[in-house]
Amino acid sequence: KQEVTQIPAALSVPEGENLVLNCSFTDSAIYNLQWFRQDPGKGLTSLLLIQSSQREQTSGRLNASLDKSSGRSTLYIAASQPGDSATYLCAGCFSGGYNKLIFGAGTRLAVHP
Amino acid sequence: GAVVSQHPSWVICKSGTSVKIECRSLDFQATTMFWYRQFPKQSLMLMATSNEGSKATYEQGVEKDKFLINHASLTLSTLTVTSAHPEDSSFYICSARHGVTGELFFGEGSRLTVL
Repeated sequence: KQEVTQIPAALSVPEGENLVLNCSFTDSAIYNLQWFRQDPGKGLTSLLLIQSSQREQTSGRLNASLDKSSGRSTLYIAASQPGDSATYLCAGCFSGGYNKLIFGAGTRLAVHP
Repeated sequence: GAVVSQHPSWVICKSGTSVKIECRSLDFQATTMFWYRQFPKQSLMLMATSNEGSKATYEQGVEKDKFLINHASLTLSTLTVTSAHPEDSSFYICSARHGVTGELFFGEGSRLTVL
């Protein structure tokens, strides 16, 4: 069974810290992995998409890596800001999964001034 | 970036009525759209996969007759919650797969409250 797990479930940090959010998956036959941000009561905003042939993607202060062999992805947020407070979800699309995403439960991030 | 529009953003209805939610890809074609349900402080649960021009594929445990999905064109999919009851109250989110890049883009979600 394909599963996606995110650790920690919640994280509270002071402004300015660099932080890492973790995502692990059970099936190494991953097609791509995507990181999303969700604000309370809102839909999802795509942050980064990593194809299986790639090892990392960067966008501004965000960097996401993908290690298929270990079944892990990390989202690195540099110099965190209060505006980064949200829930971060990772989702994997696996070969043979009929193109559907399997989501982790998310990490709720709070960045306080 | 690509935009997915979902309408209505919120709806309140009486028990027994039917509610239709629309999902549109505004600037790209999406052969595949997905409908998710999200309970408070939980992750997204895939309900069904909607393919343009064919019947939707429902996940196990999701009632086809309860949640009617129509993917009428490459830019529009609709979810109709039929004979809604209070337990159907939830946050419903659609997503559309970009036909070229394969990336998924999500709508803003629709909050359904059934009284």
